[in-house]
Amino acid sequence: AQTVTQSQPEMSVQEAETVTLSCTYDTSESDYYLFWYKQPPSRQMILVIRQEAYKQQNATENRFSVNFQKAAKSFSLKISDSQLGDAAMYFCAYSKYSGAGSYQLTFGKGTKLSVIP
Amino acid sequence: EAQVTQNPRYLITVTGKKLTVTCSQNMNHEYMSWYRQDPGLGLRQIYYSMNVEVTDKGDVPEGYKVSRKEKRNFPLILESPSPNQTSLYFCASSYRLNQPQHFGDGTRLSIL
Repeated sequence: AQTVTQSQPEMSVQEAETVTLSCTYDTSESDYYLFWYKQPPSRQMILVIRQEAYKQQNATENRFSVNFQKAAKSFSLKISDSQLGDAAMYFCAYSKYSGAGSYQLTFGKGTKLSVIP
Repeated sequence: EAQVTQNPRYLITVTGKKLTVTCSQNMNHEYMSWYRQDPGLGLRQIYYSMNVEVTDKGDVPEGYKVSRKEKRNFPLILESPSPNQTSLYFCASSYRLNQPQHFGDGTRLSIL
């Protein structure tokens, strides 16, 4: 079974600084997808960024970028110029689809990020 | 507006009283799923559906039922709720599993 590990239950960052959230996963597959979702206090789940494993280039989305290390099975999220609105729970997720009807979608346990004014 | 709608948002009920949480999406997505979120455990998948009349168990299916009679609806049924099912529940949908999930706003269930 695939597992996703977020080793930092909580982190904090000073406003305008940069922070990196770590995520590692365990898989024997070569083709899969990785996601970071953000859950603010409103409880909504919001997609932050998506990475396809077959793409070597790291995904970026404005102030959010990932460091995808396929061989190391690592998928960290970097938030630059942190803003107060970035304070949230962040979940890493792994997804693999099988045309035979089976699938896997697994979330990590989350990292709670606090932003200090 | 593209959305996933869950109802109710909050529910307090008692052990053994059957309940249904509805989920509806207006994006013509094939894939829908239910998750429960508990402190320290992240999101765990309960059931998923690849298309109409196609459902399968996720990681924590015990005590839950689902059905997918129409593409847009995917209700979660608790036939005999118990206190250990007190949790925050999310419904989600996507066109394909490798596409980002669209989440509902969550349903807070308390089983007394």
